[in-house]
Amino acid sequence: DAMVIQNPRYQVTQFGKPVTLSCSQTLNHNVMYWYQQKSSQAPKLLFHYYDKDFNNEADTPDNFQSRRPNTSFCFLDIRSPGLGDAAMYLCATSRVSGGNQPQHFGDGTRLSIL
Amino acid sequence: DQQVKQNSPSLSVQEGRISILNCDYTNSMFDYFLWYKKYPAEGPTFLISISSIKDKNEDGRFTVFLNKSAKHLSLHIVPSQPGDSAVYFCAAMTYNAGNMLTFGGGTRLMVKP
Repeated sequence: DAMVIQNPRYQVTQFGKPVTLSCSQTLNHNVMYWYQQKSSQAPKLLFHYYDKDFNNEADTPDNFQSRRPNTSFCFLDIRSPGLGDAAMYLCATSRVSGGNQPQHFGDGTRLSIL
Repeated sequence: DQQVKQNSPSLSVQEGRISILNCDYTNSMFDYFLWYKKYPAEGPTFLISISSIKDKNEDGRFTVFLNKSAKHLSLHIVPSQPGDSAVYFCAAMTYNAGNMLTFGGGTRLMVKP
């Protein structure tokens, strides 16, 4: 089945130690998104890639970076995680082509900071 | 400023009855609305959507109603089943804005057997 896959599902890192979360998709969608979700709050968009074009949300901390080496993969890098970065990180994809299309989400990576 | 609001953080319904989840928005540029369902430890799953040119969209037990003049939409689930217990997020987007979603804060639905 075509899907959005996030690895790992659970990640534990130390305060200040860089961590990378990964997302892959088999949907061949041209847009990939990274969200941060805390507790039961609404997902908060961090940034997205429209093909190779990177788009950062204005309030996304510089501590968060992203890479998209090809259509299928996208990575979220947190350079120096703080305690406040503990959250669920969701990857999503969509196909932007002449009409509204829903975003399809992976199951997320839950990040814990020690 | 929250552009999409779900004012009920939780809702409890008896199995077999109707569940009605509500959502309000303030941005009149939104023209496509979606509902997502989220189980614990899983990502949101797309459930149903509606374009602003319609006022109703139905898919099996799920129906979404849109009242543009009131900037209000609702999701009806009938009959409700215990497996419907989850957090439901309302989301909205604007055509040709890169499919950017604005989410509401979610409503936790509990369907009691």
